[in-house]
Amino acid sequence: NAGVTQTPKFRVLKTGQSMTLLCAQDMNHEYMYWYRQDPGMGLRLIHYSVGEGTTAKGEVPDGYNVSRLKKQNFLLGLESAAPSQTSVYFCASSQLSRDRNEKLFFGSGTQLSVL
Amino acid sequence: AQKVTQAQTEISVVEKEDVTLDCVYETRDTTYYLFWYKQPPSGELVFLIRRNSFDEQNEISGRYSWNFQKSTSSFNFTITASQVVDSAVYFCALRISKGRRALTFGSGTRLQVQP
Repeated sequence: NAGVTQTPKFRVLKTGQSMTLLCAQDMNHEYMYWYRQDPGMGLRLIHYSVGEGTTAKGEVPDGYNVSRLKKQNFLLGLESAAPSQTSVYFCASSQLSRDRNEKLFFGSGTQLSVL
Repeated sequence: AQKVTQAQTEISVVEKEDVTLDCVYETRDTTYYLFWYKQPPSGELVFLIRRNSFDEQNEISGRYSWNFQKSTSSFNFTITASQVVDSAVYFCALRISKGRRALTFGSGTRLQVQP
């Protein structure tokens, strides 16, 4: 009963360091998303994917890259971390549905601090 | 572009009081979907409800009820007889029927229910 799993849960980086956040879902969902949550701003979409091998930019994509090599995994990369990327990152997934009744399932989040 | 506004940043009530969380949305699309998510202190977002733009019937689920009014572009959420376990951040979100299937979130309302 895993659903959407994010690793790691916490991470502290120094400015300029790189890292990759991993999101895995076991529900065979087509769509996957990366959001960041900042105080007073709700959740903002970074990148998303509509299927294996495809990715697209969201609202705030700068400074991030993503890959969807396998359907169940969606990776978020920071090539050169900046303090402005200190945030809580959420991964989500949803299944394509003809009646569009799908809903997003969220992971538990990754708290990232960039010093 | 879509926009969701949750004007109430934080609400504090005493247990057993009723409380309404406001949500106002903006979209040019005629077909869209509205959501409410709950984020308890544990951090993970929990789906509460999804509403289609063509269905204005209000919904009640136990102590929770939702009032959808297209005329005022609002989708308000009421908790009756609030309990301490209702303490959380609540997000309203919008998704249009075209293009990417990601949600546009409001900034959230933090609800504190005091015993």
